[in-house]
Amino acid sequence: GNSVTQMEGPVTLSEEAFLTINCTYTATGYPSLFWYVQYPGEGLQLLLKATKADDKGSNKGFEATYRKETTSFHLEKGSVQVSDSAVYFCALRDYKLSFGAGTTVTVRA
Amino acid sequence: DAMVIQNPRYQVTQFGKPVTLSCSQTLNHNVMYWYQQKSSQAPKLLFHYYDKDFNNEADTPDNFQSRRPNTSFCFLDIRSPGLGDAAMYLCATSSGQGLNEQFFGPGTRLTVL
Repeated sequence: GNSVTQMEGPVTLSEEAFLTINCTYTATGYPSLFWYVQYPGEGLQLLLKATKADDKGSNKGFEATYRKETTSFHLEKGSVQVSDSAVYFCALRDYKLSFGAGTTVTVRA
Repeated sequence: DAMVIQNPRYQVTQFGKPVTLSCSQTLNHNVMYWYQQKSSQAPKLLFHYYDKDFNNEADTPDNFQSRRPNTSFCFLDIRSPGLGDAAMYLCATSSGQGLNEQFFGPGTRLTVL
């Protein structure tokens, strides 16, 4: 079946540092790929998505590229802020969303 | 603002005492989902409604039921909560299935004593 594996956390960074969270997937067919963010005490928010190979999703300074050859969708941000502290979930979707385990990111001032 | 609303945000129940969690939406989406998210884990889909059609995930325990009386509301019923059912329960909606974005509510955190 479909599955998502993402880098385990927690990840602690200083403000303005570079962030990468690795995500790889296993799927039949050509799923859409997503990154969701969950701020403390809140529900999930869609951060970005890509629907086909080589698509790049971007939002709020975050980027991820759908790499079919490596079955990856790594999340990157060049300069993080304290407000980026959250849990990040990689997910794929065929008929339903399948989530990775989540990566907790803490950004220190 | 159009949104997904979950009430209450925090719910405490006793072992074996039935509990109902509520979700409402102003997005007029035809698909509504319930997820269970245990501490430090990924959300896990329990079931979803496509309009009035109920779709249960194969591994969802019988203890979990759902009702959707109209487009706007969807309820999660836990008939006999066990300690292992303590979790965050997330409601989400989407317009159609397939590749459409899901919009999540803030969740209800359930504690079972």
